[in-house]
Amino acid sequence: GAGVSQSPRYKVAKRGQDVALRCDPISGHVSLFWYQQALGQGPEFLTYFQNEAQLDKSGLPSDRFFAERPEGSVSTLKIQRTQQEDSAVYLCASSQGGTTGFFGPGTRLTVL
Amino acid sequence: GNSVTQMEGPVTLSEEAFLTINCTYTATGYPSLFWYVQYPGEGLQLLLKATKADDKGSNKGFEATYRKETTSFHLEKGSVQVSDSAVYFCALSRSKNQGGKLIFGQGTELSVKP
Repeated sequence: GAGVSQSPRYKVAKRGQDVALRCDPISGHVSLFWYQQALGQGPEFLTYFQNEAQLDKSGLPSDRFFAERPEGSVSTLKIQRTQQEDSAVYLCASSQGGTTGFFGPGTRLTVL
Repeated sequence: GNSVTQMEGPVTLSEEAFLTINCTYTATGYPSLFWYVQYPGEGLQLLLKATKADDKGSNKGFEATYRKETTSFHLEKGSVQVSDSAVYFCALSRSKNQGGKLIFGQGTELSVKP
């Protein structure tokens, strides 16, 4: 596709459920980033992949958060046992090393 | 640590007014600086960037100059339009991969009235 796509665009989960958020980066982009954007705040870095290697996961808030990119293309962010404080927009961005990243539209997660 | 501070919004202006959104940063070394814009219902888009001191980024009539002495990167536009209504985010990156691992400010909402 022409840009970064994310699915689902909206997700409602009951507290304690597991969720999986998908990111399809721009074809050929080696770098992929996940950010979390709470309501009224700027995005906060979660994790970074270069191809299939997860080079930085320092922003993941707890061990309930897990991200993977097994074939160096599509990435999935998984949140286990969701809590209300996980409610946010999750943004994915991709880039071709040395260029500025392009952001997807985000997935809005609401945990009830 | 590294951080970005933006002026609080919302900012409400009349069409054709002059816009300034203040942004200051704290970082070691020489970060790259960015302004992103988020239009209603859309994803973040890069508006402009500057990679070294005294660089001026510009796009769509918006400008920002990288001022190392004041650690600032204020966004300006001489004459705003209704279509500029959006949330604006200042950000910095310390990685060599420009735009990677961005640290964002909290955002400033701009509303332009006809």
